[in-house]
Amino acid sequence: KAGVTQTPRYLIKTRGQQVTLSCSPISGHRSVSWYQQTPGQGLQFLFEYFSETQRNKGNFPGRFSGRQFSNSRSEMNVSTLELGDSALYLCASSFTEPLTDTQYFGPGTRLTVL
Amino acid sequence: GQQVMQIPQYQHVQEGEDFTTYCNSSTTLSNIQWYKQRPGGHPVFLIQLVKSGEVKKQKRLTFQFGEAKKNSSLHITATQTTDVGTYFCNYGQNFVFGPGTRLSVLP
Repeated sequence: KAGVTQTPRYLIKTRGQQVTLSCSPISGHRSVSWYQQTPGQGLQFLFEYFSETQRNKGNFPGRFSGRQFSNSRSEMNVSTLELGDSALYLCASSFTEPLTDTQYFGPGTRLTVL
Repeated sequence: GQQVMQIPQYQHVQEGEDFTTYCNSSTTLSNIQWYKQRPGGHPVFLIQLVKSGEVKKQKRLTFQFGEAKKNSSLHITATQTTDVGTYFCNYGQNFVFGPGTRLSVLP
């Protein structure tokens, strides 16, 4: 079974631009969660989608948004990029419930904002 | 909000020595998960603990869940260079990850 895939793997943007990251979960998994990982803040939860609905949300500004499609693939968007948005963005898929199921992480997208 | 503490932040050990990392919560947990992230890699699920006082073993790794379900530990016996990485606890009832313990193993 193929693992979680994320595209692109690396991205360089400038302040003020916007970016869209993509995540394809493991086949059959319906929950997709997104995390931001930085050396200073560690792993921070952005949001979780299940069956095309945002089910849980972390404490990030409205510039961070996401969506999930009917095939469970998910995208996250960051608008008006700031230098502090430079981070590794990880998505994780789970069968139904990430709080009790195993979360399978993708390789991440490394975003650099200049 | 919920406070998550994980200690130590860093640990350097000689190969063959033991290693332990601890996660402590300010509130009672329903369950806890442990993940490992190798340098340059992504978090990989290790185990989930649900019951009070639960102990689970995976080869040289021993996981414990406290009786009060407020703390957990991961113990590695006789570390190897393959154990290098950062170990995170995840408080299953929400999406909070501990800050992680970075383990270095000197050959």
